[in-house]
Amino acid sequence: QKEVEQNSGPLSVPEGAIASLNCTYSDRVSQSFFWYRQYSGKSPELIMSIYSNGDKEDGRFTAQLNKASQYVSLLIRDSQPSDSATYLCAVNRYDRAAGNKLTFGGGTRVLVKP
Amino acid sequence: NAGVTQTPKFRILKIGQSMTLQCTQDMNHNYMYWYRQDPGMGLKLIYYSVGAGITDKGEVPNGYNVSRSTTEDFPLRLELAAPSQTSVYFCASSYRTSGIEEQFFGPGTRLTVL
Repeated sequence: QKEVEQNSGPLSVPEGAIASLNCTYSDRVSQSFFWYRQYSGKSPELIMSIYSNGDKEDGRFTAQLNKASQYVSLLIRDSQPSDSATYLCAVNRYDRAAGNKLTFGGGTRVLVKP
Repeated sequence: NAGVTQTPKFRILKIGQSMTLQCTQDMNHNYMYWYRQDPGMGLKLIYYSVGAGITDKGEVPNGYNVSRSTTEDFPLRLELAAPSQTSVYFCASSYRTSGIEEQFFGPGTRLTVL
């Protein structure tokens, strides 16, 4: 079992619709969770972080965390063509010696069609 | 602030050649990381550093070496390049030594070994 699993996609959504991305992780002691957006040929950029169970909203993005189910999701409302990218789920475990160890999923490619 | 900078942006190596990928950050971050990203995949940690003079192996360290003589710089050395090292390399840095910090990524170096 991979440590962080995502559906590779592509997830095709019409413009204006909601894109729903899922991520599961295996390490129960993971402490914080991140969604990065990566445009083709570019570096990852952080769009959402979540640390507690429940929902966190930021603009058109909502992250949802369920630690009991080891599940984190990202909703993109009113999807725009500019949202077309690969979305990487990252799970963090803090170790005093090593600092933060991010483990990334393989990413979900999202295509928003006009 | 320039953030995290990486040089070169692109490089083609012949099998058996060596090179150093440069990474510099101007945010006074303690922690620095090197990742590689193969096509269609997530990021895998090669090496990391929790401060000047301290480095440790990540998930895929074979064929690489690092040093951290200053807070700002974290070069990655490839010895005896192999085709399996063809990848995009990202350097990242972070500051807070807790589970709720974020990592900032450089623009990446695209390396091809022929």
